[in-house]
Amino acid sequence: AQKITQTQPGMFVQEKEAVTLDCTYDTSDPSYGLFWYKQPSSGEMIFLIYQGSYDQQNATEGRYSLNFQKARKSANLVISASQLGDSAMYFCAMRESSNTGKLIFGQGTTLQVKP
Amino acid sequence: NAGVTQTPKFRILKIGQSMTLQCAQDMNHNYMYWYRQDPGMGLKLIYYSVGAGITDKGEVPNGYNVSRSTTEDFPLRLELAAPSQTSVYFCASRPDAGGLNTEAFFGQGTRLTVV
Repeated sequence: AQKITQTQPGMFVQEKEAVTLDCTYDTSDPSYGLFWYKQPSSGEMIFLIYQGSYDQQNATEGRYSLNFQKARKSANLVISASQLGDSAMYFCAMRESSNTGKLIFGQGTTLQVKP
Repeated sequence: NAGVTQTPKFRILKIGQSMTLQCAQDMNHNYMYWYRQDPGMGLKLIYYSVGAGITDKGEVPNGYNVSRSTTEDFPLRLELAAPSQTSVYFCASRPDAGGLNTEAFFGQGTRLTVV
């Protein structure tokens, strides 16, 4: 069965430093997609970055990059040059190749950026 | 663009009462989903639909019902509210075209408290 695990309930980072949020996953499907979402205190879900299981390179989107280690089944999010506005909850999610398109979410990591 | 619209934004229910959470999207997406997010936790799938007239259970369907009479609307019904249904409810939609990387669009959420 597919499963997403985020083992860091809370993280602190100093402003302008980089931070890595961990995500491990389990699936028997060889074709899958991994997503990261940001949820600020206002509550909305904001899509950040996507990594496909067959992608040869790690995904990058501005200050966000994904450290994808397929053999270890990990998809860690790296935020470079942290900003105060990065303080939020971050979710890792996975979609398998079924035709339903449903996402399975991890428990989330709360990130606090210190000035 | 309205995107995915959820109403109401907040609601307090008494135990045993019923209500319908509304979700509408104006993007002509066939795929729609209902998730719940308990405090400090990730999102769990309640029900989903791959098109008008087609619905199926997700991970936590007990206590809920859905219908999908049109492409635009996907209401979630709580028949006998229980304190365990206190949660934030998110509706999401996704185009049916595209692959694993197709982004899901989320509504702003409905915060429900059952007392």
